[in-house]
Amino acid sequence: NAGVTQTPKFRVLKTGQSMTLLCAQDMNHEYMYWYRQDPGMGLRLIHYSVGEGTTAKGEVPDGYNVSRLKKQNFLLGLESAAPSQTSVYFCASQDEGKKTQYFGPGTRLLVL
Amino acid sequence: GENVEQHPSTLSVQEGDSAVIKCTYSDSASNYFPWYKQELGKGPQLIIDIRSNVGEKKDQRIAVTLNKTAKHFSLHITETQPEDSAVYFCAASHPGGSYIPTFGRGTSLIVHP
Repeated sequence: NAGVTQTPKFRVLKTGQSMTLLCAQDMNHEYMYWYRQDPGMGLRLIHYSVGEGTTAKGEVPDGYNVSRLKKQNFLLGLESAAPSQTSVYFCASQDEGKKTQYFGPGTRLLVL
Repeated sequence: GENVEQHPSTLSVQEGDSAVIKCTYSDSASNYFPWYKQELGKGPQLIIDIRSNVGEKKDQRIAVTLNKTAKHFSLHITETQPEDSAVYFCAASHPGGSYIPTFGRGTSLIVHP
């Protein structure tokens, strides 16, 4: 099993550009999450999904959109990138039984 | 909602010493407390967890203790090794919140050889 994978690993954007980050999991988990990690701020929840076709806002949702069209995939979109969105983005899926989260390797995004 | 405070933000120890990281939570309904380790350039990974029906859990050199009355839990690492150097996150969650975790801000542990 690959676990949780994220693409791309690294991306540079110019202010105003858009992009989509892809997260995929092969563990058949219902719950999936998108976090951003900034120095000294820990992991902040952007959006999450409790099942295929559902999404919900987290702590810092502004400027991001998500979609969960397939159970194994969770997409994070930036409509118009801003320098404040420079961060490392982590996707996670959750085992409903054990409650454990499994994280992907992260996507490092730089917005100029 | 739940609030998780984690201390210290940075911890520096000598190889072989013990390290203790402490977290407090605010929601008495929380009953699942995982700890994650994040190595440089990687995603966090679960290292140990504890549920509210036990007070302590051990796994080799790591242990977690939980005090439900005081609403705090701690991670203990004994005989630290350089490979223990990483950022550690605590979290709390409960069934009313669909077990969506609230994370602490993290502790950067540095183990000096």
